[in-house]
Amino acid sequence: GESVGLHLPTLSVQEGDNSIINCAYSNSASDYFIWYKQESGKGPQFIIDIRSNMDKRQGQRVTVLLNKTVKHLSLQIAATQPGDSAVYFCAENSRLPYNTDKLIFGTGTRLQVFP
Amino acid sequence: DTGVSQNPRHKITKRGQNVTFRCDPISEHNRLYWYRQTLGQGPEFLTYFQNEAQLEKSRLLSDRFSAERPKGSFSTLEIQRTEQGDSAMYLCASLDSGTGRTEAFFGQGTRLTVV
Repeated sequence: GESVGLHLPTLSVQEGDNSIINCAYSNSASDYFIWYKQESGKGPQFIIDIRSNMDKRQGQRVTVLLNKTVKHLSLQIAATQPGDSAVYFCAENSRLPYNTDKLIFGTGTRLQVFP
Repeated sequence: DTGVSQNPRHKITKRGQNVTFRCDPISEHNRLYWYRQTLGQGPEFLTYFQNEAQLEKSRLLSDRFSAERPKGSFSTLEIQRTEQGDSAMYLCASLDSGTGRTEAFFGQGTRLTVV
């Protein structure tokens, strides 16, 4: 069935280091992928997205890489800050073959930043 | 505040009671989604609307669940005869599908506890 999963449930990094959060997806027909950040007690917050015809996209301190060959997605956060501590979800949108338009979320990775 | 608004933020109810949640999306967003999230998991899709039309419902949405968006603006999610397994965070998100953007904006959620 359709699924989006994450390799590591918890990632601990030192402030100032770079963070890499990984995600595997199963539907090769997904149109685009999104990374969300969720802080405790809040709804998910959009970070960055990437369409299936791209390999890389950069934002402010974040980079998303897409490897369609192995159906793998990663989020890189440069110079990780305490405010980056949260749970990060990858999500995919699969209009085909399901003829739908919804986001399917993975389980999430908790990022802990220590001084 | 022009974000997605959900009410109430918290709801405690006795098993067997009915509950109703409300979501006010971002003004002029034609697409509205409902998700359910349990602790440690990613959001699970429940249903979505394009304007007032309900386009898709998940298998998770049993007969006890009903969602409406009568005028294509705010939406309500009702759960009848609540069960302890219904305890979760219920998230609403909205999107303007006409822009081609993928960014769905989430509300803060309604946390339901069934005792």
